Amino acid sequence: AQSVAQPEDQVNVAEGNPLTVKCTYSVSGNPYLFWYVQYPNRGLQFLLKYITGDNLVKGSYGFEAEFNKSQTSFHLKKPSALVSDSALYFCAVRDMNYGGSQGNLIFGKGTKLSVKP
Amino acid sequence: SAVISQKPSRDICQRGTSLTIQCQVDSQVTMMFWYRQQPGQSLTLIATANQGSEATYESGFVIDKFPISRPNLTFSTLTVSNMSPEDSSIYLCSVNLVATYNEQFFGPGTRLTVL
Repeated sequence: AQSVAQPEDQVNVAEGNPLTVKCTYSVSGNPYLFWYVQYPNRGLQFLLKYITGDNLVKGSYGFEAEFNKSQTSFHLKKPSALVSDSALYFCAVRDMNYGGSQGNLIFGKGTKLSVKP
Repeated sequence: SAVISQKPSRDICQRGTSLTIQCQVDSQVTMMFWYRQQPGQSLTLIATANQGSEATYESGFVIDKFPISRPNLTFSTLTVSNMSPEDSSIYLCSVNLVATYNEQFFGPGTRLTVL
């Protein structure tokens, strides 16, 4: 079965420091991987995706993620954190066995990022 | 991207009643989904809304409790029936767009509280 793990419930970072939010996945075939951000009382916003190609994917708001096939990871990174980055971050994988490339997403449990001034 | 609207944005309901949530998209859509996000938890897929036919439900969700309609490509409704406090959640509509193919976008959600 497809699954996503976000091992950290919360990540605390000082403003200006680099941040990493971890994600590992388990799929039977090639993964389609996504990161979403959820600000308080808001819906989910798409940050970035990996489908194929370059392992380093750049997304919105200065975020990037690195796909590592050998480690089955897709960690979210940002070189310099902002207080406004504080939010809930979800990693997700597409279930290719259901609906193919249009199938539904399977989400990790989420990681709360807190950036302090 | 697309503009995805949901109505209502929030509601407080009494136990035993039903609430219908609407989802409207302003772009051509290939697939529509309904998710539930219980307090402090991740998103769980309820069902895939199929145009002109019965929705496809995930394990643990049934049509009698969560009837879904999708009369056309850009509109769907989710009804939460015979509500109990355990149904208090955020319900999110999600779509794949024809234009962006494999990206999935989410509506703002409907925050439901059942007393």
